[in-house]
Amino acid sequence: NAGVTQTPKFQVLKTGQSMTLQCAQDMNHEYMSWYRQDPGMGLRLIHYSVGAGITDQGEVPNGYNVSRSTTEDFPLRLLSAAPSQTSVYFCASSSAGQKNSPLHFGNGTRLTVT
Amino acid sequence: GDSVTQMEGPVTLSEEACLTINCTYTATGYPSLFWYVQYPGEGLQLLLKATKADDKGSNKGFEATYRKETTSFHLEKGSVQVSDSAVYFCAQGDNTGGFKTIFGAGTRLFVKA
Repeated sequence: NAGVTQTPKFQVLKTGQSMTLQCAQDMNHEYMSWYRQDPGMGLRLIHYSVGAGITDQGEVPNGYNVSRSTTEDFPLRLLSAAPSQTSVYFCASSSAGQKNSPLHFGNGTRLTVT
Repeated sequence: GDSVTQMEGPVTLSEEACLTINCTYTATGYPSLFWYVQYPGEGLQLLLKATKADDKGSNKGFEATYRKETTSFHLEKGSVQVSDSAVYFCAQGDNTGGFKTIFGAGTRLFVKA
């Protein structure tokens, strides 16, 4: 039972480069989301999706794009990386069918932008 | 707006000591409340939850009670172990029918043998 799988685990980018962080879940969860984790700031929501073809912005969406073409996958794209995007990124999913359903997290991607 | 505030860390305890990590929330309505735990190098995982006032969530010896009157959800454990060393996050669910979860800043716990 894989749960939520994120790749890569680590990535170093130069300022201005673009990349895609991958996220896949095998639990048939409707809801998926991306958070970034920074010291002393907890987790902040970047983008989320309540189902295939539906995405919306969270608290800190600038500089990131998402799409949701399938239930399983929810990639996060950095369009032009900046040092301020150095962070640990977590993908999470939950079942829309259960009220108060908790989030299931991947193990994170540690991104450094130089 | 809605928010979660938890005590700053790090918290350092000796094995078998009592633990309390304070958490308070602000919200319109009555959201579900959660504690998540993050072990080194891993993602967050649910530790316990409570969905309404006076509910007590419990798991692995940890407990937290949903207190509406004080808008609090403090995490407690009577006797901590070295294996409890981790970062603990308090969080509130979305009570508007959506799925956004709001997290506190996290509290790092170190337990010494």
